[in-house]
Amino acid sequence: ETGVTQSPTHLIKTRGQQVTLRCSSQSGHNTVSWYQQALGQGPQFIFQYYREEENGRGNFPPRFSGLQFPNYSSELNVNALELDDSALYLCASSRGDPMNTEAFFGQGTRLTVV
Amino acid sequence: AQSVTQPDIHITVSEGASLELRCNYSYGATPYLFWYVQSPGQGLQLLLKYFSGDTLVQGIKGFEAEFKRSQSSFNLRKPSVHWSDAAEYFCAVGARTGNQFYFGTGTSLTVIP
Repeated sequence: ETGVTQSPTHLIKTRGQQVTLRCSSQSGHNTVSWYQQALGQGPQFIFQYYREEENGRGNFPPRFSGLQFPNYSSELNVNALELDDSALYLCASSRGDPMNTEAFFGQGTRLTVV
Repeated sequence: AQSVTQPDIHITVSEGASLELRCNYSYGATPYLFWYVQSPGQGLQLLLKYFSGDTLVQGIKGFEAEFKRSQSSFNLRKPSVHWSDAAEYFCAVGARTGNQFYFGTGTSLTVIP
C-alpha cells in the first residue's frame, strides 16, 4: 500500500474524445509526476508538478495537460485521444525531488482508446 | 541521451534458485540508479537505489544490486527466489538534479515450483 490512489482503474474512450485521470497523493507530497506505460514498455515521463506548477515535461504533445491541487490531488487530461494513447497511466508522488526522496506510485489507470 | 537497457525480456527460475537481472545504462554523468518491481494490478514499488558510496546496495525483500561504473551496469540479484517474487522488474536512472526517471523496458520474472 503506497498511499497513492488513482481513479478510475480502467477506462474505455473513443478516438477524439477527452479524458481526465485522477491521482490522490499522500499528505505532504508536494510533487507529482505522471508516466505513460504502453504495453510491453517501461513507463515514460509525461510531466511533473511541484506546488501546483508544471516543473518539467517529457516528449508529449500539448494535448496532454495536468493540474495539481492544494489538497495533494492531481489530474492528467488528454484531449483528442488517439489510438496510441492506449496505455497504463501512472502517477508518482513524493515529498520534494523524487530523485532524492522516494517516489510512491499509484496502481495506475488502464486507458483503452477504441 | 539517457537510456536504460534490460536485455532479458523474460526470465524463468525455480523457487529457491538464485536470480540475476541485468541492467545497462547510458548516461552523461554518474546517475542515480533504481530498481522497481511491479506486480499485476499494482503500482511500482522501490526495491533499492544507488546514489553514491558503496557500490553494493541492499534493498527490501532480500534483493541487492551492484553498481559497476566500468560496465555501466546495475544488476539486481537475489540468492534464493520465492514464488512471491514473480513480477515485472524495472531498472531506472535519474539525474542528480533532474526530475524524471528513465525506465528500461522491464524483465518479467516467472518462478516455477
